[in-house]
Amino acid sequence: AQTVTQSQPEMSVQEAETVTLSCTYDTSESDYYLFWYKQPPSRQMILVIRQEAYKQQNATENRFSVNFQKAAKSFSLKISDSQLGDAAMYFCAYLSGSARQLTFGSGTQLTVLP
Amino acid sequence: GAGVSQSPSNKVTEKGKDVELRCDPISGHTALYWYRQRLGQGLEFLIYFQGNSAPDKSGLPSDRFSAERTGESVSTLTIQRTQQEDSAVYLCASSLDVGRGTEAFFGQGTRLTVV
Repeated sequence: AQTVTQSQPEMSVQEAETVTLSCTYDTSESDYYLFWYKQPPSRQMILVIRQEAYKQQNATENRFSVNFQKAAKSFSLKISDSQLGDAAMYFCAYLSGSARQLTFGSGTQLTVLP
Repeated sequence: GAGVSQSPSNKVTEKGKDVELRCDPISGHTALYWYRQRLGQGLEFLIYFQGNSAPDKSGLPSDRFSAERTGESVSTLTIQRTQQEDSAVYLCASSLDVGRGTEAFFGQGTRLTVV
């Protein structure tokens, strides 16, 4: 079974600074997808960024980018120019190419300091 | 509707009572998922529906949990004889499921408290 590990329960960053959230996963598959979701206090999960395992290029979405290290099974999220609205719980998630349900990590609570 | 809608937003029930949670997926989404999120934890998969196929119930924690879906529309998650450990946020998601890695869109969840 696949597992996803987020070793940082809490992180904080100064507004306008850069922060990196860590995620590692364990799988024996070669075909899969990785996601970062954001969960604000409203509880709704919002997709931040996704990465296909077969793509070597790291995904980027505006201020959000990932560092995907397939051999190391690492998938970290970098948030540049942090904003107060980025404060939320962030979840790393894995989707097997053959399965339908996401496997989530335990989350990292990000605080943005003004 | 524009997004995934769940009701009720919050539910407090007495131990031993049955509860029904409702999910209205995005129109046209063939796939629907239920997840459970205990306080301070990640999401645990419960059940998956895809069109008219048999649902994947592999994540249901006990036979007290069941779910139904009418065609490609509304789904209800039923918990019978609720226990305090059932207290959690129950999240529903839907997706087009037209290909692997398709984005899942989540509702705002139902916070269930069993007292």
